[in-house]
Amino acid sequence: GEKVEQHESTLSVREGDSAVINCTYTDTASSYFPWYKQEAGKGLHFVIDIRSNVDRKQSQRLIVLLDKKAKRFSLHITATQPEDSAIYFCAAGFNNNRIFFGDGTQLVVKP
Amino acid sequence: DMKVTQMPRYLIKRMGENVLLECGQDMSHETMYWYRQDPGLGLQLIYISYDVDSNSEGDIPKGYRVSRKKREHFSLILDSAKTNQTSVYFCASRDSGNTLYFGEGSRLIVV
Repeated sequence: GEKVEQHESTLSVREGDSAVINCTYTDTASSYFPWYKQEAGKGLHFVIDIRSNVDRKQSQRLIVLLDKKAKRFSLHITATQPEDSAIYFCAAGFNNNRIFFGDGTQLVVKP
Repeated sequence: DMKVTQMPRYLIKRMGENVLLECGQDMSHETMYWYRQDPGLGLQLIYISYDVDSNSEGDIPKGYRVSRKKREHFSLILDSAKTNQTSVYFCASRDSGNTLYFGEGSRLIVV
C-alpha cells in the first residue's frame, strides 16, 4: 500500500521567516495530497490540498508544490506567525477512500 | 455548522472492561473513519465505514469493532480493553471533495 514519509519531525523558524515541510509518497496512483494542521489537544484541521493535475497551489500564505516524477510534495508557509505553531500532517490518497498520513511535523515559530 | 462530535472526550477503564466510543456528524457524509494516534506513530487507521452497515478493516483492526446503524453515527467498540489500547482516538468524516473533518478526539487510558 501507499507509504507517506515526512522528512522533518520538528522544524523551528523565526517569526516572519518561511517554513518548508517535505513529504514523499510511494504509490504512483495517488492523486490527492492534502495537508492537515493539529493544534495541541485538538483534532486535525484541513488547511490545503493539491491534486495531481497541477504542480502548484497557493492559498494566502500557504503554497503546496507537487513533483510527480520525484513523488514528492511540500508545504511552504510564508511570513510565519506564532499561531502557525502546530503539528502538520501530509497525506496522500486516491479513489478508494483511503487516505494515508505521514507521521507529522512539529512546527515551532519563535517570536 | 459542519461538525464531528466525539463522546466521551476522556475515559479511564480497567483492563478487560468494554469500551464504547461514539462519533456523530451533521453533514450527511457517507464515509467515516476511526484512527488512533500515538506519539511517534502518526495516525493509524482502524476502520472505514462507507455507509450504514458497510464497514471495512483498516490497518490495525485487531481488538476493535465498529457499528454504523445510522449515517450520522459511527461507534468504535473495544471488547475487553487492553493496556496497549491506551491512546487518543479520532473519528473523521469525508466530504465529496475528499476533505476529512475530524472530531476533537477521545483520550482513553486502560489501567
